[in-house]
Amino acid sequence: GIQVEQSPPDLILQEGANSTLRCNFSDSVNNLQWFHQNPWGQLINLFYIPSGTKQNGRLSATTVATERYSLLYISSSQTTDSGVYFCAVEPRTDYKLSFGAGTTVTVRA
Amino acid sequence: AAGVIQSPRHLIKEKRETATLKCYPIPRHDTVYWYQQGPGQDPQFLISFYEKMQSDKGSIPDRFSAQQFSDYHSELNMSSLELGDSALYFCASGTSGGVNEQYFGPGTRLTVT
Repeated sequence: GIQVEQSPPDLILQEGANSTLRCNFSDSVNNLQWFHQNPWGQLINLFYIPSGTKQNGRLSATTVATERYSLLYISSSQTTDSGVYFCAVEPRTDYKLSFGAGTTVTVRA
Repeated sequence: AAGVIQSPRHLIKEKRETATLKCYPIPRHDTVYWYQQGPGQDPQFLISFYEKMQSDKGSIPDRFSAQQFSDYHSELNMSSLELGDSALYFCASGTSGGVNEQYFGPGTRLTVT
């Protein structure tokens, strides 16, 4: 099956700092989504971004499908940004999401 | 906007008992997916339904079964529960054509004691 690798596995930030999370995938995809899992376990949809660039407030994402990677940018981080960020992809030959192992982000005040 | 609804949100069962989880997809979504997330793990695909027919199956134990009903809600039935079944169970819904985005529900936290 498709391989999804996220880096870094852990990230500790000071409030106000910027950061970049990376997701590499091993095959062509129909769908790529970024999620934030909060401390209560809820998976919050951040972006549906199989290609191109999107922005939503302090968050933005870019997917370069031809090079099989996606980046999630967090700017001016806040303590509420803490949690696990998952990248998930749906291969062209499949109709289910495969998740990466996640990046655990801790933002300190 | 309407979201995916899951019930119950929390469930505590004993070993060897049975559990039923319910999922109500976003209106007009024709596809439902179930995922299982163990402690410290990423979500893993279990099973999906398109227009009330099973469309794909992942690493779902034989003790688990699922179906999608005429009103498009789905139920995941788990029998002979084991300690290792303790996990977050997510339901997601989507549409079959065009945009393939999956919308996740809040999850059901199952604890088996």
